[in-house]
Amino acid sequence: DSGVTQTPKHLITATGQRVTLRCSPRSGDLSVYWYQQSLDQGLQFLIQYYNGEERAKGNILERFSAQQFPDLHSELNLSSLELGDSALYFCASSVGASGYEQYFGPGTRLTVT
Amino acid sequence: GENVGLHLPTLSVQEGDNSIINCAYSNSASDYFIWYKQESGKGPQFIIDIRSNMDKRQGQRVTVLLNKTVKHLSLQIAATQPGDSAVYFCAETPYGQNFVFGPGTRLSVLP
Repeated sequence: DSGVTQTPKHLITATGQRVTLRCSPRSGDLSVYWYQQSLDQGLQFLIQYYNGEERAKGNILERFSAQQFPDLHSELNLSSLELGDSALYFCASSVGASGYEQYFGPGTRLTVT
Repeated sequence: GENVGLHLPTLSVQEGDNSIINCAYSNSASDYFIWYKQESGKGPQFIIDIRSNMDKRQGQRVTVLLNKTVKHLSLQIAATQPGDSAVYFCAETPYGQNFVFGPGTRLSVLP
């Protein structure tokens, strides 16, 4: 158990809908990272927040957004969902801002029908 | 949940043998490299890391080698055990500005 929690574990929704994925980092970790894992794209970095502020951005679509709250939990919002958004979404956390030693949560499996 | 990447390259080793998993990285500006292990239905698990000012780092039963000249990273697992069966990913980052993962290698440990 990494200490990172993600909810929900599974999510099934229809195209065009919007969903919110939630992540609680390990106690003491200030950074949260979001990743997408799909069969054809592998693991893709989406975005990082450090202590409430966006720090790094990867291949995140404009339809996706994220935020980190004062209690350091984070939410990833996915809107106008398409079939291709079906994937595993992982959250990871680390103590510092530089991305060293990230600890991953168990993931949320999103299925868009 | 099933593992991602059903057609990943696979390395099969006998229990007790040493394993070597290789990775080519792409960005010469990357300064930090990580190996992750992902078991079926779980998130990636940090194994070992190395910074670009080093060429070798050892952990418990694992060693990471970095060759910046040819942009190559390897993970050596000593005395491979059944519990080592998983998909292994390398990752690189230039100063934490982006994190790029390799396609992964499936390690299968034969009894």
